[in-house]
Amino acid sequence: DTGVSQNPRHKITKRGQNVTFRCDPISEHNRLYWYRQTLGQGPEFLTYFQNEAQLEKSRLLSDRFSAERPKGSFSTLEIQRTEQGDSAMYLCASSLVGGYGYTFGSGTRLTVV
Amino acid sequence: AQTVTQSQPEMSVQEAETVTLSCTYDTSESDYYLFWYKQPPSRQMILVIRQEAYKQQNATENRFSVNFQKAAKSFSLKISDSQLGDAAMYFCAYRSVLRFGAGTRLTVKP
Repeated sequence: DTGVSQNPRHKITKRGQNVTFRCDPISEHNRLYWYRQTLGQGPEFLTYFQNEAQLEKSRLLSDRFSAERPKGSFSTLEIQRTEQGDSAMYLCASSLVGGYGYTFGSGTRLTVV
Repeated sequence: AQTVTQSQPEMSVQEAETVTLSCTYDTSESDYYLFWYKQPPSRQMILVIRQEAYKQQNATENRFSVNFQKAAKSFSLKISDSQLGDAAMYFCAYRSVLRFGAGTRLTVKP
């Protein structure tokens, strides 16, 4: 297992387009988290899954954002009708339930032009 | 709601010296974990050290140690014998679900 994998690494899109990111967690981890990080700021929690169930969503996750983890393995984060304010690094992490440490992926950097 | 506050946006330390990064948090929970994460430029987040709230003993990992003051809700990170490779953004975080502070950028001067 090579850790948490995120694809793509970089995405440039035009305002109004839809984008989808993928996260492959560590295989035995049953929790998966999405964070958003803008330049100079700490990561902001967006949502997390335990297996395939989405257990918490931040108020930051507007109606244009949707996340899925259909089989409790990989997850996708979709942003519809992207806006310039969506430009950020989107981080994925995974952990075991009750586990103390999160393993983070390298992130997907989104630029909306 | 839980919040994490890092009041030092930037810190600087001389190589081989000691530096302490501050963190305070607010929670109504009694059992939780606290973490310090390191994020080097353009690289992924790395766990530095963790502390369980129910433990009174401060966690130590090699050159990294914490000063955990539960009543004061304070969780500072001490880096001893600073090395050039320690230069990074440092984030204090609280969980059950990790919530991060704004970060402290550490510069290490040779």
